Amino acid sequence: AQSVTQLGSHVSVSEGALVLLRCNYSSSVPPYLFWYVQYPNQGLQLLLKYTSAATLVKGINGFEAEFKKSETSFHLTKPSAHMSDAAEYFCAVSDGNTGGFKTIFGAGTRLFVKA
Amino acid sequence: DTEVTQTPKHLVMGMTNKKSLKCEQHMGHRAMYWYKQKAKKPPELMFVYSYEKLSINESVPSRFSPECPNSSLLNLHLHALQPEDSALYLCASSQDLPKGSYGYTFGSGTRLTVV
Repeated sequence: AQSVTQLGSHVSVSEGALVLLRCNYSSSVPPYLFWYVQYPNQGLQLLLKYTSAATLVKGINGFEAEFKKSETSFHLTKPSAHMSDAAEYFCAVSDGNTGGFKTIFGAGTRLFVKA
Repeated sequence: DTEVTQTPKHLVMGMTNKKSLKCEQHMGHRAMYWYKQKAKKPPELMFVYSYEKLSINESVPSRFSPECPNSSLLNLHLHALQPEDSALYLCASSQDLPKGSYGYTFGSGTRLTVV
């Protein structure tokens, strides 16, 4: 069974500091991995996805993530945090080998950005 | 058009009422989804439609009844709900199943309150 674990339910950074949100996955087959962002009272927006083409994935809003198979990790980073980055971030995993298409979300990490 | 539109944005209903949530997309996506999200929790999959056919039902109670009239529309019919069904209901769409490499496009959700 697939799963993702997000380390840290809350992360607080200062504006301009590095953002690092951690995600580890468990999957019996090569996974597809995603990061989504959710702003208050809104739906989720896809930030980036890993689909085995390249291990370093660049997404929107200056975010990127690196797939490390040996560590079963897919951590999300951004070099310099902006106030507008404050939101809930979800790591997610899916696979295309079951005949269905389920995306399983991690518990989420709330990012706070201090001025 | 790269949006998923959900109506209504807010809904308050009594436990004996019948109501429907609506979702529409015009991106040519052939997979559509209903997710339920409780406060401070990740989205939980309810139903998946692929090419207008129900492909996944995550053991959702029968008081929730999905319908996919055509490739652009997805409805969720509600009847005899309980207060614990109060949540944000999210609709999403993606390119076709079963490949799980396509991310979702989410709507902004319907905030449902059952009284």
